[in-house]
Amino acid sequence: AQSVTQPDIHITVSEGASLELRCNYSYGATPYLFWYVQSPGQGLQLLLKYFSGDTLVQGIKGFEAEFKRSQSSFNLRKPSVHWSDAAEYFCAVVNTGGFKTIFGAGTRLFVKA
Amino acid sequence: GAVVSQHPSRVICKSGTSVKIECRSLDFQATTMFWYRQFPKQSLMLMATSNEGSKATYEQGVEKDKFLINHASLTLSTLTVTSAHPEDSSFYICSANAGTSGRNEQFFGPGTRLTVL
Repeated sequence: AQSVTQPDIHITVSEGASLELRCNYSYGATPYLFWYVQSPGQGLQLLLKYFSGDTLVQGIKGFEAEFKRSQSSFNLRKPSVHWSDAAEYFCAVVNTGGFKTIFGAGTRLFVKA
Repeated sequence: GAVVSQHPSRVICKSGTSVKIECRSLDFQATTMFWYRQFPKQSLMLMATSNEGSKATYEQGVEKDKFLINHASLTLSTLTVTSAHPEDSSFYICSANAGTSGRNEQFFGPGTRLTVL
């Protein structure tokens, strides 16, 4: 069965520091991969997505993610975190044959001054 | 970009009443919409897939008679929580698929906070 693992429940980084949020997936083939961000009480905003091609994907707000097939990973990175990046981040997969989206448990990002 | 709205954004009701939540795709047609439930500090759990003109497909463990889904048009899906109880209190989020496969992006609504007293 498909699954998505985000090993870190929460992460705290200093403003201006780099960030990496981990995501591992379990799927028989290469799925479609997504990262979303959610502010408290809000819906989801798509940061970036990977379907095929270049394994380094650029997204909005200065985020990027790298798909590594050998590690079944799709980690999210940002070189310099801003206080406004504090939020919940979800990694998600969609099977290539259909629509169903499976979300990871989420990682809460705290940014300290 | 594609916009999905939900109404209401917040609802408080008494135990035993029914609550209807609307999900609309404002500038595109969505043959498929999805309903998710999110408990505090938890991830989104898919409840059901709503297909225009046909019955919804419910995930295992989701009571279809409890959570009634209607997708009467290509821009509107509704979720009705029947005989709501406090344990139904949650954040309900819908999404709409703008294409015909999972390759296309899902657009999420802003969510509806349901509180059952």
